[in-house]
Amino acid sequence: DSGVTQTPKHLITATGQRVTLRCSPRSGDLSVYWYQQSLDQGLQFLIQYYNGEERAKGNILERFSAQQFPDLHSELNLSSLELGDSALYFCASSVGLSPGTEAFFGQGTRLTVV
Amino acid sequence: DQQVKQNSPSLSVQEGRISILNCDYTNSMFDYFLWYKKYPAEGPTFLISISSIKDKNEDGRFTVFLNKSAKHLSLHIVPSQPGDSAVYFCAASAAGGTSYGKLTFGQGTILTVHP
Repeated sequence: DSGVTQTPKHLITATGQRVTLRCSPRSGDLSVYWYQQSLDQGLQFLIQYYNGEERAKGNILERFSAQQFPDLHSELNLSSLELGDSALYFCASSVGLSPGTEAFFGQGTRLTVV
Repeated sequence: DQQVKQNSPSLSVQEGRISILNCDYTNSMFDYFLWYKKYPAEGPTFLISISSIKDKNEDGRFTVFLNKSAKHLSLHIVPSQPGDSAVYFCAASAAGGTSYGKLTFGQGTILTVHP
């Protein structure tokens, strides 16, 4: 158990809909990262938050947004969903921002868009 | 732009032998490298890391080697065990620039260790 909790574990929704994925980081971790893993793909970095502020952005679509709340949990909002958005979405957390900070991953949310 | 590449999608080895997983990177700003292991239906778990000031780091059966001039690192598992069968991801981070603080992952290598 990594200490990172993601909900829900599975989500099935229709195209055009909007969903929210939730992540609770490990106790004491200030950084939260979101990654997307599509079929046969590696983990693609989406976005990072540190202590409530956005710190780095990756290949995140404009239809996607995220935030980190004062209690440090984070939510990833995916809207106008398309079939290609079907993927595993991982949240990870780490203590700080320093390079190579070991990140701990949750079990992921499997999103299926039908 | 794939800054971290694992060119071997899969590797199959016999139990007790050495497994060598390779990783190449292109971004010279990367100065910290990590290996993660992932089982099906689970999130990646940290395995071992190496800083760019070192060329080798060992932890039990796992050793990571870094060749900065070649922008290449490898993970050696000796001896390999069936429980090592998983997807292995190489990841890198940088002290500055746009990659600061985030991990850039390779595509992963599926390791299968046969009894």
